[in-house]
Amino acid sequence: GAGVSQSPSNKVTEKGKDVELRCDPISGHTALYWYRQSLGQGLEFLIYFQGNSAPDKSGLPSDRFSAERTGGSVSTLTIQRTQQEDSAVYLCASSRGQGRSGNTIYFGEGSWLTVV
Amino acid sequence: AQTVTQSQPEMSVQEAETVTLSCTYDTSESDYYLFWYKQPPSRQMILVIRQEAYKQQNATENRFSVNFQKAAKSFSLKISDSQLGDAAMYFCAYGGNNNDMRFGAGTRLTVKP
Repeated sequence: GAGVSQSPSNKVTEKGKDVELRCDPISGHTALYWYRQSLGQGLEFLIYFQGNSAPDKSGLPSDRFSAERTGGSVSTLTIQRTQQEDSAVYLCASSRGQGRSGNTIYFGEGSWLTVV
Repeated sequence: AQTVTQSQPEMSVQEAETVTLSCTYDTSESDYYLFWYKQPPSRQMILVIRQEAYKQQNATENRFSVNFQKAAKSFSLKISDSQLGDAAMYFCAYGGNNNDMRFGAGTRLTVKP
């Protein structure tokens, strides 16, 4: 596709359930990012993938959060045993290369997660 | 780790006037990029402007320009001739050697007709 695609766009889940959020980056982009944005707040870095390198997981808030990227393309963010504080918009982004290279990152429209 | 600070949660400007959004950052790196992104109500993030740290000349994109003060680690965004469509959340971002992108908390800009 022409842009970063995320699914689902909206997800309501019960507390304690697991959820999976999917990101399909722009073709050819080696870098992929996940961010979390709570209502009216800034972007909280979660995880970063660059090519075949080990991902930077330093932003994951707890061990309930995990992410993988298969074949260097599609990524899935998994939240286990969801809590109400996990409610937020989860934004995925991709870019051609590394942040220090000044590459523009392109964002998806986000997945709005509500935990009830 | 690098941090990005936007000290203005909200700003307001009259249509056709000029507004400046502030951003400071903390880093020990010498080579990096700085960005301003705009997030309108549609939630889609859009790149506004980019600055390379080794360039002294301030970046300009039409009505948008930056004041980059490397020694002070300051990177403000100036919007001239503000338009109603400029209303959005604006995020300052840092791209450095850690290969990730760090964002500030954002500034919500309101444009009054």
